[in-house]
Amino acid sequence: AQKVTQTQTSISVVEKTTVTMDCVYETRDSSYFLFWYKQTASGEIVFLIRQDSYKKENATVGHYSLNFQKPKSSIGLIITATQIEDSAVYFCAMREPSGSWQLIFGSGTQLTVMP
Amino acid sequence: EAGVTQSPRYAVLQEGQAVSFWCDPISGHDTLYWYQQPRDQGPQLLVYFRDEAVIDNSQLPSDRFSAVRPKGTNSTLKIQSAKQGDTATYLCASSPGQGALEQYFGPGTRLTVL
Repeated sequence: AQKVTQTQTSISVVEKTTVTMDCVYETRDSSYFLFWYKQTASGEIVFLIRQDSYKKENATVGHYSLNFQKPKSSIGLIITATQIEDSAVYFCAMREPSGSWQLIFGSGTQLTVMP
Repeated sequence: EAGVTQSPRYAVLQEGQAVSFWCDPISGHDTLYWYQQPRDQGPQLLVYFRDEAVIDNSQLPSDRFSAVRPKGTNSTLKIQSAKQGDTATYLCASSPGQGALEQYFGPGTRLTVL
């Protein structure tokens, strides 16, 4: 069965530094899609970045990038030059055909960016 | 382009009461999802529709929860006889087709059952 695990409950960093959030997943499919979403303090959930399993290149969008290690079933989110407004809960999620294309979320990592 | 809208934003009930949540997806999005997000957890899918048809409601507690999308646009999620364990945020999301990869989330309804 598909499963997404985020073991880091919370992380604190100083602004303008780089942070990496970990995520591992379980899947029986050869093709699947991995996502990172951000949930702000107001509760809004925003899509950040996606990695397609068949692509070897790590996805990058703005100051977000991914560290995709397929043999380890790992998809880390890297945020460079962090800003105070990056403080939020970050969710890793996966979709796969055998899971009826449902979006399965991890439990989230609370990021706090301090001045 | 307007985003996904939901109402009410907050609801407080006593156990045994009923409540309905309403969702208006992004215009043109044919796929609509309802999620339950307990405190300090990720969202968990309850049910989703393509147009007016239910595609998957296997995780909807059918004895007390129901969801409809009669015209393939707006949707209502209803809880009959709420329990304290239903306390959570209920999120609606939409996407332009089941094959579309990204989903766009509404602000959610925060439900507290006393």
